[in-house]
Amino acid sequence: SQQGEEDPQALSIQEGENATMNCSYKTSINNLQWYRQNSGRGLVHLILIRSNEREKHSGRLRVTLDTSKKSSSLLITASRAADTASYFCAAGLDSNYQLIWGAGTKLIIKP
Amino acid sequence: EADIYQTPRYLVIGTGKKITLECSQTMGHDKMYWYQQDPGMELHLIHYSYGVNSTEKGDLSSESTVSRIRTEHFPLTLESARPSHTSQYLCASSEFTGGPDTQYFGPGTRLTVL
Repeated sequence: SQQGEEDPQALSIQEGENATMNCSYKTSINNLQWYRQNSGRGLVHLILIRSNEREKHSGRLRVTLDTSKKSSSLLITASRAADTASYFCAAGLDSNYQLIWGAGTKLIIKP
Repeated sequence: EADIYQTPRYLVIGTGKKITLECSQTMGHDKMYWYQQDPGMELHLIHYSYGVNSTEKGDLSSESTVSRIRTEHFPLTLESARPSHTSQYLCASSEFTGGPDTQYFGPGTRLTVL
C-alpha cells in the first residue's frame, strides 16, 4: 500500500514567492528524500534528511522532518520559472531499506 | 545529471509482442531498480537487484522479468505486452551502503501497447 502522501497535489505561485510542499508517511523510516521530475522525465535527487535530523538546507531548499508526526516539508525560497516541475518525497524504510514514494506535488511558477 | 541510460525513450508496439527495455549505468553502482509510473502518480517498484546474479521482485505485481549478468546492465523484458502495460518505466541505481540510499534515475521509457 502507498505509504507516502503529498499535499497539495498542485501548487501555482508567482515567480519570487516561496513554495511549500508537505509529505506524510506511515511507518518507521531511516531517512526521507525529496526528488524533482521535469515533464515526465527521470527524477533528480534534491536532498536527504536522516531520521535523527530535524532540518536541513541546500541552497534555496529547506527540508524539515517531524518523526513524531511522520511528516516532512520542502520549502523552496525565491522561486524561479525553472523550478516548475513535480516534486516527490520518498520515505526510506528502516525495515527493508526500500523507498516508498508519494504521488508528488505539481509546482507551476508563473512569470 | 547521473550517468544512467535507458533505451528506447519511446516505444509503441502491438499486443502480444515481446519487448526488452534497456538500462545501463556507468557509476559502478551495485543496486539497480525498475519502477513503473503512470502520469501524475507515484512510482511503484517492480524489480530490483543488489548486484550481479541478484534479482528481486518489488511491491507491484508485474509480468516482466529482469536479469543482472553485468554490474552496469539491468534489462527488463515483457514476454507478451498488453495494453495494461502502457506506462512509463524508470530505471535507477544506487550505491549499496546498507541503507535506503540516494537513487539516480535514467530518463525513462514511455511504453504504449496498442
